[in-house]
Amino acid sequence: QKEVEQDPGPLSVPEGAIVSLNCTYSNSAFQYFMWYRQYSRKGPELLMYTYSSGNKEDGRFTAQVDKSSKYISLFIRDSQPSDSATYLCAMRGNQFYFGTGTSLTVIP
Amino acid sequence: ETGVTQTPRHLVMGMTNKKSLKCEQHLGHNAMYWYKQSAKKPLELMFVYNFKEQTENNSVPSRFSPECPNSSHLFLHLHTLQPEDSALYLCASSQDPSASYEQYFGPGTRLTVT
Repeated sequence: QKEVEQDPGPLSVPEGAIVSLNCTYSNSAFQYFMWYRQYSRKGPELLMYTYSSGNKEDGRFTAQVDKSSKYISLFIRDSQPSDSATYLCAMRGNQFYFGTGTSLTVIP
Repeated sequence: ETGVTQTPRHLVMGMTNKKSLKCEQHLGHNAMYWYKQSAKKPLELMFVYNFKEQTENNSVPSRFSPECPNSSHLFLHLHTLQPEDSALYLCASSQDPSASYEQYFGPGTRLTVT
């Protein structure tokens, strides 16, 4: 069983839509949950992180962690073409574990 | 220069060549990492260095040889690679590998092995 599972997509939505990106994980010891955004020909950059369970909001982005279900989500409201990128979930145990990334395209 | 830089950005090499990838971080971090990113696969952690000492080697073939002369510089020496080694190689740094939640990544080196 993989440590982190993420649907690679691709996901294509119209501008203004609400986007939901998700990951599941197997290790209950994970405490930090991160979302990275990776534009084409660039390295990943940290978008948001959450410690333990709960929600965190930053502008149009909301990160949710449900430790009981071992499930994390990233919601993007009012999606913009500039949000088109690959989104990687990551978790922190004794090292970092990453998902495969979900490719998102927001169509103007 | 700011953040994490990597050179070269693109590299094409034959299976018998020897080449090196370079990474430099300008963030004052103590830990540096090499990752391999292949299509449709999670980032694969290859090596971790903490205060110049290698603390992690995730069963990486010996044709990949890391070097960390100081906390700001990291190299990945390549020799007799295979076509399946073609991928994006990412360098990252963090303040503390045991407590940090955030890694800062470079832009990567796109490696093609012919």
